[in-house]
Amino acid sequence: AQSVTQLGSHVSVSEGALVLLRCNYSSSVPPYLFWYVQYPNQGLQLLLKYTSAATLVKGINGFEAEFKKSETSFHLTKPSAHMSDAAEYFCAVSLNTGFQKLVFGTGTRLLVSP
Amino acid sequence: SQTIHQWPATLVQPVGSPLSLECTVEGTSNPNLYWYRQAAGRGLQLLFYSVGIGQISSEVPQNLSASRPQDRQFILSSKKLLLSDSGFYLCAWTGGGHSTDTQYFGPGTRLTVL
Repeated sequence: AQSVTQLGSHVSVSEGALVLLRCNYSSSVPPYLFWYVQYPNQGLQLLLKYTSAATLVKGINGFEAEFKKSETSFHLTKPSAHMSDAAEYFCAVSLNTGFQKLVFGTGTRLLVSP
Repeated sequence: SQTIHQWPATLVQPVGSPLSLECTVEGTSNPNLYWYRQAAGRGLQLLFYSVGIGQISSEVPQNLSASRPQDRQFILSSKKLLLSDSGFYLCAWTGGGHSTDTQYFGPGTRLTVL
């Protein structure tokens, strides 16, 4: 069964610093992977997704993620953090059931300090 | 363009009272629809999904039920709320049945059961 592990429930960075949010997946078949962002009291917004085309995926707001099969990872990065990046980030894997069904990680809250 | 609405935005209900949360999608037809619950400090848990009118699949046994009376309307209900039903409820939709589809989320409903 597919699953997702997000290491670190909270990550703190300074404005302008590198952002690295970790996601490891478990899947018996090639996975489809997603990163979503959630601002306080709002729904989730898609940042980017991996669908087996390019292993380096670029998303919105300057974020990108690299699919590494050997490490079963799909870490999210951004070269320079902005105050507006403070939010909760969720990694998710899509179950290959012929019907889109996501399994989410427990989320990582990104804190950005001036 | 497609939009997804949820109401109410916030709700405070006493234990034992009934519940009805509504989700509607505009600008698309025959969407796949989902209900998630997000408890404090936890990830998203898929509660129900629907591939068509009257077709509901439940993911976890619980005190809640779902219905889809119209193509673009998805309702989450309970006859008697429990304290453990408190949380942030999110509705989502996808346009097709492929595992690479993006799920688009509504703004959510914050439910507090006292």
